Amino acid sequence: NAGVMQNPRHLVRRRGQEARLRCSPMKGHSHVYWYRQLPEEGLKFMVYLQKENIIDESGMPKERFSAEFPKEGPSILRIQQVVRGDSAAYFCASSPRPQETQYFGPGTRLLVL
Amino acid sequence: LAKTTQPISMDSYEGQEVNITCSHNNIATNDYITWYQQFPSQGPRFIIQGYKTKVTNEVASLFIPADRKSSTLSLPRVSLSDTAVYYCLVAPGGDSSYKLIFGSGTRLLVRP
Repeated sequence: NAGVMQNPRHLVRRRGQEARLRCSPMKGHSHVYWYRQLPEEGLKFMVYLQKENIIDESGMPKERFSAEFPKEGPSILRIQQVVRGDSAAYFCASSPRPQETQYFGPGTRLLVL
Repeated sequence: LAKTTQPISMDSYEGQEVNITCSHNNIATNDYITWYQQFPSQGPRFIIQGYKTKVTNEVASLFIPADRKSSTLSLPRVSLSDTAVYYCLVAPGGDSSYKLIFGSGTRLLVRP
């Protein structure tokens, strides 16, 4: 049973470019969560999605950031016009139900030059 | 939301038992206490969760006193591979229980 998968594991972008981060939840999990981790800090909640629905995006910046979890395919976190401050590790987690244990993927490390 | 406080770092030696204590004075009645482990360049990994008294699994034990204002993660006979950051989380409870709140964690260094 494969765990949560994220790709790419590392992503380098120049300022102003777009970054697309993908997350495939564990089999049987329909709840996906995105977190961001800055160096030497804990993870910060960004957004919670179910299939085709955004449930809570309270932790996601209002501008340049968007997330989706289509009926088919992985969840995608999209960052438009990246800036240096977007450099961080982005983790995706999934669970079978919202109150149950979240299982994390290996993360995508975004570096903005 | 219940804030957690835990030591920034701890040192230990192989074979010793390690106890990491977390304070959560404002824990709510329906909050659970969860511990995650994170290795460098990896995502957090669930270790254990509890509500009160003691919980034990194949990896660790979690001790929670009656007032629930603190909890202690106990790792028996640590090895070098237990070097990691350990996070204590208190679930907000209710409809927002999915919104995990990570503090800075405790960096555990296990020496040979």
